[in-house]
Amino acid sequence: EVQLVESGGGLVQPGRSLRLSCAASGFTFDDYAMHWVRQAPGKGLEWVSGISWNSGSIGYADSVKGRFTISRDNAKNSLYLQMNSLRAEDTALYYCAKLGAGGFDYWGQGTLVTVSS
Amino acid sequence: DIQMTQSPSSLSASVGDRVTITCQASQDISNYLNWYQQKPGKAPKLLIYDASNLETGVPSRFSGSGSGTDFTFTISSLQPEDIATYYCQQYDNLSYTFGQGTKLEIK
Repeated sequence: EVQLVESGGGLVQPGRSLRLSCAASGFTFDDYAMHWVRQAPGKGLEWVSGISWNSGSIGYADSVKGRFTISRDNAKNSLYLQMNSLRAEDTALYYCAKLGAGGFDYWGQGTLVTVSS
Repeated sequence: DIQMTQSPSSLSASVGDRVTITCQASQDISNYLNWYQQKPGKAPKLLIYDASNLETGVPSRFSGSGSGTDFTFTISSLQPEDIATYYCQQYDNLSYTFGQGTKLEIK
């Protein structure tokens, strides 16, 4: 059974940093691209970042470019999101998602990031 | 960046109705268009990928069509368990965009 479990969320002050993790199991992690998607309270889905199976291709939404860094450790079956210079508008539930044949076929349950003083 | 315009933003329909949601891309995206269902408090679920392919295990009352810039998502006969918010999503290399979502309610 595919499982994606996010962790690392919490309350953080504006301008500070946070690192999210996603532990994957139930599939061959290093065969698949992985992504982060966020959802602000009461709002829609926003793609944040994605990384290819071998970290050779990486993409970011304009809203986080230069502040967030995605990475993965295939030996540990883990995906990460380093978030720096956090802003109030980064407050959201952050999901990690596995890329399947065309779409994101498995999602975690999310980890909540709240940016507030 | 490619923008996605999804409509309507909300929709009320009766059980058994045929429901249609549309998504328009700001430029040609071929068939790189997915549809998701999200129920309150839950993670999104992939229903349709590459515009018209039904994800494994998804009921056949869900379907998708379109290519280029105009896409359609259809529920052929609305069921009570289909109450959710639906999102389209385009992908272009390693850049993705979701539509604004359509909240579907039972009349």
